[in-house]
Amino acid sequence: GENVEQHPSTLSVQEGDSAVIKCTYSDSASNYFPWYKQELGKRPQLIIDIRSNVGEKKDQRIAVTLNKTAKHFSLHITETQPEDSAVYFCAANTGTYKYIFGTGTRLKVLA
Amino acid sequence: NAGVTQTPKFRVLKTGQSMTLLCAQDMNHEYMYWYRQDPGMGLRLIHYSVGEGTTAKGEVPDGYNVSRLKKQNFLLGLESAAPSQTSVYFCASSYEKGLSNTEAFFGQGTRLTVV
Repeated sequence: GENVEQHPSTLSVQEGDSAVIKCTYSDSASNYFPWYKQELGKRPQLIIDIRSNVGEKKDQRIAVTLNKTAKHFSLHITETQPEDSAVYFCAANTGTYKYIFGTGTRLKVLA
Repeated sequence: NAGVTQTPKFRVLKTGQSMTLLCAQDMNHEYMYWYRQDPGMGLRLIHYSVGEGTTAKGEVPDGYNVSRLKKQNFLLGLESAAPSQTSVYFCASSYEKGLSNTEAFFGQGTRLTVV
């Protein structure tokens, strides 16, 4: 069935370093790929998204890349800061109702 | 504009008790969802609705029922709670007709403990 795999499950980086989280999806009909950030005790909130007609998208320190052939997309955070510490979820959507989420990555930025 | 609102925020149930979680959205969204979040397992879809009066099963529907009598509300029911249903429950909504944005907006979550 439809599946989104996310790696790593935990990631620790030094403040100022970069962090990369990777996801792989199985449904070739997926065409929308959002990334959500969830701080402790809070709701998931969208931080960036990309559609299948675009290979890369950037918003300040955050970027997402998409490789449709490999069914692979990644989140890149540069110049990490302590406030970047959170759980990050990737998701894939076929353009209709169905979101399939990855299992999450707990990012810790060490000061 | 409140977005997506869930009630209650916390609840403790005894095994076998029943309860209903309420989700309300004011964004005129067509789609609504109930997810459960457990450590290390991400967000798993319980049930969803693509419009008023329609519901469908997600990945983990057993032990839950839903109803969407009004477009803005999506109710999740537990008829006979079990300890395995201890979790954090999130409601979400997405998609307004005529717009291309399909971002899902989440409620603040309900922490349910079944003892």
